[in-house]
Amino acid sequence: DGGITQSPKYLFRKEGQNVTLSCEQNLNHDAMYWYRQDPGQGLRLIYYSQIVNDFQKGDIAEGYSVSREKKESFPLTVTSAQKNPTAFYLCASSIYGGTISYNEQFFGPGTRLTVL
Amino acid sequence: DQQVKQNSPSLSVQEGRISILNCDYTNSMFDYFLWYKKYPAEGPTFLISISSIKDKNEDGRFTVFLNKSAKHLSLHIVPSQPGDSAVYFCAASASRLTQGGSEKLVFGKGMKLTVNP
Repeated sequence: DGGITQSPKYLFRKEGQNVTLSCEQNLNHDAMYWYRQDPGQGLRLIYYSQIVNDFQKGDIAEGYSVSREKKESFPLTVTSAQKNPTAFYLCASSIYGGTISYNEQFFGPGTRLTVL
Repeated sequence: DQQVKQNSPSLSVQEGRISILNCDYTNSMFDYFLWYKKYPAEGPTFLISISSIKDKNEDGRFTVFLNKSAKHLSLHIVPSQPGDSAVYFCAASASRLTQGGSEKLVFGKGMKLTVNP
């Protein structure tokens, strides 16, 4: 089945450690996105990538890094510089380019990161 | 400054009745609007969308209305079912084909809908 996979579902790390969250999609989508959700908040964009080997900062990129070496994969690293890393992280993907100017984003199941 | 606002954090309705979820936006460049449904500890799932060239889009029990002059949209669910109980997010974007657009989605804070049996 086509879809977006995020692993693991739950992740625990000690304060000061970097941690990488996985996101894989087999939808052949060009664009991929990382969001963060906190209680009572909407989804806030961390980073996005519209093409392989290129990515842009979203609204809250500080303390995070990404790479896009393959079309299918867009891992997110939460660094020790992120002051409040405990949150629910969501990865999404969408078609991008061509004659379609609007594209729905499809989301993965999310990873709950808890920093102790 | 919040560009997409869902001012009511929650709504409770009886099964079979209509649920109306509201959303306001401030950025006049937004020309595409989406509703997502989210269960706890899961990713959002796309529900329905509308482009600014329309004022209504219907899909089964779900209808989205857009009032561009008021910068307001609403999602109607008729009839409401207990399985509709979830958090609903309104999102907006500006087409990359328009100047300044990027297709990035801007989300509201969400509204928790509870449908009572």
